[in-house]
Amino acid sequence: DAGVIQSPRHEVTEMGQEVTLRCKPISGHNSLFWYRQTMMRGLELLIYFNNNVPIDDSGMPEDRFSAKMPNASFSTLKIQPSEPRDSAVYFCASSLTQGSNQPQHFGDGTRLSIL
Amino acid sequence: AQSVTQLGSHVSVSEGALVLLRCNYSSSVPPYLFWYVQYPNQGLQLLLKYTTGATLVKGINGFEAEFKKSETSFHLTKPSAHMSDAAEYFCAVPGGSYIPTFGRGTSLIVHP
Repeated sequence: DAGVIQSPRHEVTEMGQEVTLRCKPISGHNSLFWYRQTMMRGLELLIYFNNNVPIDDSGMPEDRFSAKMPNASFSTLKIQPSEPRDSAVYFCASSLTQGSNQPQHFGDGTRLSIL
Repeated sequence: AQSVTQLGSHVSVSEGALVLLRCNYSSSVPPYLFWYVQYPNQGLQLLLKYTTGATLVKGINGFEAEFKKSETSFHLTKPSAHMSDAAEYFCAVPGGSYIPTFGRGTSLIVHP
């Protein structure tokens, strides 16, 4: 089975531009998570969906960030406008169900650089 | 809410030496604990999972972790380090709203 697929793997863009990150979870997984990883702050949860519905978006830094999950096989994380401090590696992860016993399956991330 | 503390942001060992990566959870006994590994330029992947009742949990690549309630610990070990073990290791515990809480991670450096 294919794992979690993220695109693009790398994105370099100028400050003020819109950035869209994409994620395809593992087929059959009902929960999807977006994380951001930086040296300074470590791994931060941005938002979490269950059955395509956003459950917890308290980690979204500000209104410039938005996430959608239009169907069970696709999610996007959008930053508009982007700023240099948004530079980080963004991970998408999915799990089979919503439950504390469920391990998460991570994609290989999108390395985002905002100039 | 549950939390985990990983002692030591970096651990350096020689190839063939024992690997010990430390993780302590907050006071109440969690039903589950996880160790994940992150290789360079990759996402996290599950190394092993603890469920209530087990004490020694075996994972992939020769790693294992021992749950010690008296010490609130779930340390990760491997008898003999290999160069390919160089990676970042994360301990995680269930937090609120079914969301895992990850530790800050420990970078394992393996010297030839």
